[in-house]
Amino acid sequence: GQNIDQPTEMTATEGAIVQINCTYQTSGFNGLFWYQQHAGEAPTFLSYNVLDGLEEKGRFSSFLSRSKGYSYLLLKELQMKDSASYLCAVKDSNYQLIWGAGTKLIIKP
Amino acid sequence: SQTIHQWPATLVQPVGSPLSLECTVEGTSNPNLYWYRQAAGRGLQLLFYSVGIGQISSEVPQNLSASRPQDRQFILSSKKLLLSDSGFYLCAWSDRVWDTEKLFFGSGTQLSVL
Repeated sequence: GQNIDQPTEMTATEGAIVQINCTYQTSGFNGLFWYQQHAGEAPTFLSYNVLDGLEEKGRFSSFLSRSKGYSYLLLKELQMKDSASYLCAVKDSNYQLIWGAGTKLIIKP
Repeated sequence: SQTIHQWPATLVQPVGSPLSLECTVEGTSNPNLYWYRQAAGRGLQLLFYSVGIGQISSEVPQNLSASRPQDRQFILSSKKLLLSDSGFYLCAWSDRVWDTEKLFFGSGTQLSVL
């Protein structure tokens, strides 16, 4: 079967750095997405990786290793507004999105 | 710019009652449209997607149905709701022109079936 694994919950301190990991086992690979979702709201797109390596976008970076079936989202200079769930999703060989359950990130002052 | 509208935001319905959730997209034409359900602690579950008017693909067999009567309108329906239909429903669209096909989500509908 197809599977996306992320930690259920993480806690970090304001101003610090946090890395949220995502491992996947899918039938084929056509890209990996990270979305941010604040409680009770819709997910919003953060990043997309299809080739190995690091994609940097401001305070957020996303890394992909296709050979390891692994990605991480790195958040720097954490702010209270970064408290949210972070969803990892992989597009499989049929171009269908497989979603992880999300990682709830709690930021403490 | 493109916008997506989804309503209502919150809905409380008795078991056995009908359901109609509506979603409209503005500022784009011929989008891919999606209905997802999100249960607490679980990943997004794709319910239906549509690549054009009248073209609906169902991913999960259930008592829900979807229709696309116009290019930018997507409707989720049920004739008789079950308790298990409770959840957070999200409409989304993507532009097929883009290689990444990232999704843009509506604000969601929290459905409680009692």
